[in-house]
Amino acid sequence: DAKTTQPPSMDCAEGRAANLPCNHSTISGNEYVYWYRQIHSQGPQYIIHGLKNNETNEMASLIITEDRKSSTLILPHATLRDTAVYYCIVRVGDNDMRFGAGTRLTVKP
Amino acid sequence: GAVVSQHPSRVICKSGTSVKIECRSLDFQATTMFWYRQFPKQSLMLMATSNEGSKATYEQGVEKDKFLINHASLTLSTLTVTSAHPEDSSFYICSARRVSAETQYFGPGTRLLVL
Repeated sequence: DAKTTQPPSMDCAEGRAANLPCNHSTISGNEYVYWYRQIHSQGPQYIIHGLKNNETNEMASLIITEDRKSSTLILPHATLRDTAVYYCIVRVGDNDMRFGAGTRLTVKP
Repeated sequence: GAVVSQHPSRVICKSGTSVKIECRSLDFQATTMFWYRQFPKQSLMLMATSNEGSKATYEQGVEKDKFLINHASLTLSTLTVTSAHPEDSSFYICSARRVSAETQYFGPGTRLLVL
């Protein structure tokens, strides 16, 4: 599976959109981009995933560039409860999920 | 979304004893379950992958005789830490993947403290 690169930390003001970037320049054609988050002392929570089209659900939007070498997770209206470590994972098919260091997002009042 | 539970949520044990952690998929059948370990301020590290009815596949550096994994049914996997030592103290997290699906769902984790 392709490696991902994320900034170690980001801040966001409460009520504003949080845009979390992820680089995956070696992604192959059949690899999906997954996003999970981990709130302190809890198990990771699935957020969203996509292959090449942009995706949206009740939690977030996922924007994947046309060349698929990077993506952005968007939390449209961040709340204090969105403070967590966000993991971008690239994976193909049935392969297991392997976590990098992630981005620690801090939402500030 | 799919729900995965773990029991116990936290456990304290004496060095040399064995501890069993259960992972259950509550509302779906999971052909594959995964066990991760997470040390403070670090990311999750995959320990092993288990498929229902077959032996687990362990990651390099994970002792299979120390971390016994059983996946006897489509809704239950257990991790037994045998002869636990203080360095085994960690946050253990399981995840499950339903039949014919790609997304993994994670349990809430079990915090193990070995004294």
